[in-house]
Amino acid sequence: KQEVTQIPAALSVPEGENLVLNCSFTDSAIYNLQWFRQDPGKGLTSLLLIQSSQREQTSGRLNASLDKSSGRSTLYIAASQPGDSATYLCAVKPTGFQKLVFGTGTRLLVSP
Amino acid sequence: ETGVTQTPRHLVMGMTNKKSLKCEQHLGHNAMYWYKQSAKKPLELMFVYNFKEQTENNSVPSRFSPECPNSSHLFLHLHTLQPEDSALYLCASSQVTREETQYFGPGTRLLVL
Repeated sequence: KQEVTQIPAALSVPEGENLVLNCSFTDSAIYNLQWFRQDPGKGLTSLLLIQSSQREQTSGRLNASLDKSSGRSTLYIAASQPGDSATYLCAVKPTGFQKLVFGTGTRLLVSP
Repeated sequence: ETGVTQTPRHLVMGMTNKKSLKCEQHLGHNAMYWYKQSAKKPLELMFVYNFKEQTENNSVPSRFSPECPNSSHLFLHLHTLQPEDSALYLCASSQVTREETQYFGPGTRLLVL
């Protein structure tokens, strides 16, 4: 059974810092891995999608890497801003399934 | 705002009530999903519909009854719920391919008294 773990559960940083969020998964048989952002009481917004054949994806200040063989992904946020404050969720799509398996998320607070 | 809308956004119901959650997607997708997000637990898939046909039921209790009349609409009918069913219910849609991402609605916050 696929399980996804995110560390840390919560993170508080001052504005301007670069930071790394970690995601690990137990089964390397995946189609892809995604990072989502969730604001309080809101739905999910997809940030980056990495296919199983890819190593990384970049969008603006965000960079996500994938090491499928070791079951790890990182989300790197450069020059953090207060608007980045949210919960960040990692999800994998297991091979042979249509569903996404989510981690419990990292709650990020960026202080001005 | 995404192309997936959900109504109502908030719902309070008693354990003997019957209510329905509605989801509509405006993205031309052919797959729709219901997820449950409880406090301090990962999002859990509940149901998957492809081309209006249910393809996955993740061992969901029968007090939750999904309905998908067409590829754009998805309902979740609720009856005799328990307080532990209180959660954020999220709808999502996608194309039926393994590469495609899922697009999520804003969710319905449900409180069962």
